[in-house]
Amino acid sequence: AQTVTQSQPEMSVQEAETVTLSCTYDTSESNYYLFWYKQPPSRQMILVIRQEAYKQQNATENRFSVNFQKAAKSFSLKISDSQLGDTAMYFCAFRMYSGGGADGLTFGKGTHLIIQP
Amino acid sequence: DTEVTQTPKHLVMGMTNKKSLKCEQHMGHRAMYWYKQKAKKPPELMFVYSYEKLSINESVPSRFSPECPNSSLLNLHLHALQPEDSALYLCASSPGAQGRGTEAFFGQGTRLTVV
Repeated sequence: AQTVTQSQPEMSVQEAETVTLSCTYDTSESNYYLFWYKQPPSRQMILVIRQEAYKQQNATENRFSVNFQKAAKSFSLKISDSQLGDTAMYFCAFRMYSGGGADGLTFGKGTHLIIQP
Repeated sequence: DTEVTQTPKHLVMGMTNKKSLKCEQHMGHRAMYWYKQKAKKPPELMFVYSYEKLSINESVPSRFSPECPNSSLLNLHLHALQPEDSALYLCASSPGAQGRGTEAFFGQGTRLTVV
């Protein structure tokens, strides 16, 4: 079974600062996907960024980037130029790479990120 | 259209009631999911449907009964629930085939309260 660990229950930074959220995972699989999802108070889970384990290049989406260290099983999220709208719960998630493509996500416990004005 | 629509948004039900949650997507996705999320906790997988067949049941009590009438629709039938079943129920969908994208799209959830 896979496990995902987020060691920072809550973080608070000033607007425009850069913040890094940590995530480690444990798996015996060699092919898998990793995701960061954001859940604001509106409740909807929104995909922030994804990474395929077989890709060495770190994924980037505008202000969001990851540092994927496969050997260390680490997958941190960096948010640059943080904005008030980034305030949310952030979940790191793991999914196996299977032929059917229909496996559920295993989530970490989440990090509550607060952006202060 | 990248939406997963869940109805109702809020539901209060008694322990003897029967109710259903509904989830709909029109993205052509072939995998659909039910998750349960308690307050300040991550979502926990309940069921997975792949090509309209139940492929994963994470040992969910039988008072929760999923149904996938067609590739766009997913229901969760509720009967004789307990107060501890009160939670946010999230529906999600994903393409369900490799090479077509892997992320899951989530609905806004149904906030269920069992009294």
